[in-house]
Amino acid sequence: DADVTQTPRNRITKTGKRIMLECSQTKGHDRMYWYRQDPGLGLRLIYYSFDVKDINKGEISDGYSVSRQAQAKFSLSLESAIPNQTALYFCATSEGTGAANQPQHFGDGTRLSIL
Amino acid sequence: DQQVKQNSPSLSVQEGRISILNCDYTNSMFDYFLWYKKYPAEGPTFLISISSIKDKNEDGRFTVFLNKSAKHLSLHIVPSQPGDSAVYFCAATPLAGGGFKTIFGAGTRLFVKA
Repeated sequence: DADVTQTPRNRITKTGKRIMLECSQTKGHDRMYWYRQDPGLGLRLIYYSFDVKDINKGEISDGYSVSRQAQAKFSLSLESAIPNQTALYFCATSEGTGAANQPQHFGDGTRLSIL
Repeated sequence: DQQVKQNSPSLSVQEGRISILNCDYTNSMFDYFLWYKKYPAEGPTFLISISSIKDKNEDGRFTVFLNKSAKHLSLHIVPSQPGDSAVYFCAATPLAGGGFKTIFGAGTRLFVKA
């Protein structure tokens, strides 16, 4: 079983719909992240969470919200989806101690298409 | 403005030869660098890293070189194998950043031909 699981893996939806992407982890890491990947732009940070009570905006948080339901679960919501949110979304985790030099562990991604 | 640049979108190499993937950065606050490897339909996986106090780190067939004065790092794969065909992301972070300040490059797609 994967250490970081994202659901769904693929989603096609319409403009204006509310969408939730879910992420769960079995690694026991405190830190969780949501990224989006667009062609030619690499991975950009949307939100990150250091623990259940600590949630922070990343580089591109507009139009997104998150919820850290438990240490193991971190969900990303698009309240009213728009076509330019079409992208590949990744959830990641990392250890909290020795933070910056701890690599991140990624899920397999959710491919989201908004028509 | 991209702080971490991978200027080659793709690279093709013959099996057994050396693959060299390059990465440039602009922010002098970066002091820890990582390479991730990504196969299709999978998430990136950590490959190798280097701290700014070093200029080389080696792990088996993979070696990362860091040139701080040029703000440049490179990943060498020797010998290249067909299973190395993947997208490689360079990433940089300030050690004080705690992971959430990690900036990723756009990636280089490596093709290793048998």
